[in-house]
Amino acid sequence: AQSVSQHNHHVILSEAASLELGCNYSYGGTVNLFWYVQYPGQHLQLLLKYFSGDPLVKGIKGFEAEFIKSKFSFNLRKPSVQWSDTAEYFCAVGRTASKLTFGTGTRLQVTL
Amino acid sequence: DAGITQSPRYKITETGRQVTLMCHQTWSHSYMFWYRQDLGHGLRLIYYSAAADITDKGEVSDGYVVSRSKTENFPLTLESATRSQTSVYFCASSKGQGYQPQHFGDGTRLSIL
Repeated sequence: AQSVSQHNHHVILSEAASLELGCNYSYGGTVNLFWYVQYPGQHLQLLLKYFSGDPLVKGIKGFEAEFIKSKFSFNLRKPSVQWSDTAEYFCAVGRTASKLTFGTGTRLQVTL
Repeated sequence: DAGITQSPRYKITETGRQVTLMCHQTWSHSYMFWYRQDLGHGLRLIYYSAAADITDKGEVSDGYVVSRSKTENFPLTLESATRSQTSVYFCASSKGQGYQPQHFGDGTRLSIL
């Protein structure tokens, strides 16, 4: 069965620090990859997605992610975090429209 | 834009009661989904629907029933609520191709006493 691992459960950073959140998946075939963000009390919103082409994907709010096929990874990065980035971040991996598997999420806390 | 709306936003009920959570989308997306979000588990798929009158089970479907008589509506029913079904429930929709993202509603926080 397909699985998605987010090893960082809770990350605390100071404003302006750089961010990298890990995401690894188990499926070896063609996959579609997503990062979603959930701000406190809100619904999930799409940050970025990858399905083909340039493995370095840029999303909203200065986030980017790199797909490394050989490592089954799709890590999320941001050069300089802001207090407003405090949220929970979910990696999701899918093969078809109906099969999207989410990781357990990483809670990011940015301190002033 | 209205997009996808869920109702109610909050619900408290008792074990053994039947509860229905509503989901309505205005995009005419073919696919709709129900997830539950629990601490330590992320989002887990309960049911999904590829089109009107076509539904299928997800990872955690026991104790839940869905229907989809119209493309825009996808209600989720807990036939006899149990405490383990206390959770936050999210409805989502997508256009249907695997690379298309899912769009989520604001969620329903359900507490079962």
